[in-house]
Amino acid sequence: DAKTTQPTSMDCAEGRAANLPCNHSTISGNEYVYWYRQIHSQGPQYIIHGLKNNETNEMASLIITEDRKSSTLILPHATLRDTAVYYCIVRRGRWAGGTSYGKLTFGQGTILTVHP
Amino acid sequence: GAVVSQHPSWVICKSGTSVKIECRSLDFQATTMFWYRQFPKQSLMLMATSNEGSKATYEQGVEKDKFLINHASLTLSTLTVTSAHPEDSSFYICSAKQGADQPQHFGDGTRLSIL
Repeated sequence: DAKTTQPTSMDCAEGRAANLPCNHSTISGNEYVYWYRQIHSQGPQYIIHGLKNNETNEMASLIITEDRKSSTLILPHATLRDTAVYYCIVRRGRWAGGTSYGKLTFGQGTILTVHP
Repeated sequence: GAVVSQHPSWVICKSGTSVKIECRSLDFQATTMFWYRQFPKQSLMLMATSNEGSKATYEQGVEKDKFLINHASLTLSTLTVTSAHPEDSSFYICSAKQGADQPQHFGDGTRLSIL
């Protein structure tokens, strides 16, 4: 699976948009971009995923560049409860075949701190 | 929707005992479940992938005889840490997904402390 690169940490003011970047320059055509977050001492929470189109749900928006080499997760109005470690993960799709599809490989993620 | 429940939340036991952790998908059927381990200040590491009705697939370096996984139904997988020792103390997290290209949804983890 393609490796991702994320900043170690970021700060954001409460109420402002948090834009978390992720670089995945070696992504291949059969790989999705997934975002999860982990609040301290809890299991990861699924946020959003996409293949090549931008996606939006009730939690966030995912912007994927046209060449798919990078993406940005946007939390439109950050709150204190959004303070967490955010993981950007590239995952092979089912049609890619092989035994590794579906697996998530977690890197170190970005520690997002939302402050008042 | 897509709720995964893990039990117990935490457990403390003596060295040499075996500990069983349950992972349940509450509102969906999970064809595949995954088990992860997370040490303090580190990221999650995949231990094994479990498909209902078949043997689990373990990641390299994970002892299958020590970490027994059973996925007997579409809503339940169990991880048994056999003859646990202090170095097995960790945060164990399961996840489940409904279909091939569906997201994994995670439980809240089990904090295991071996004395």
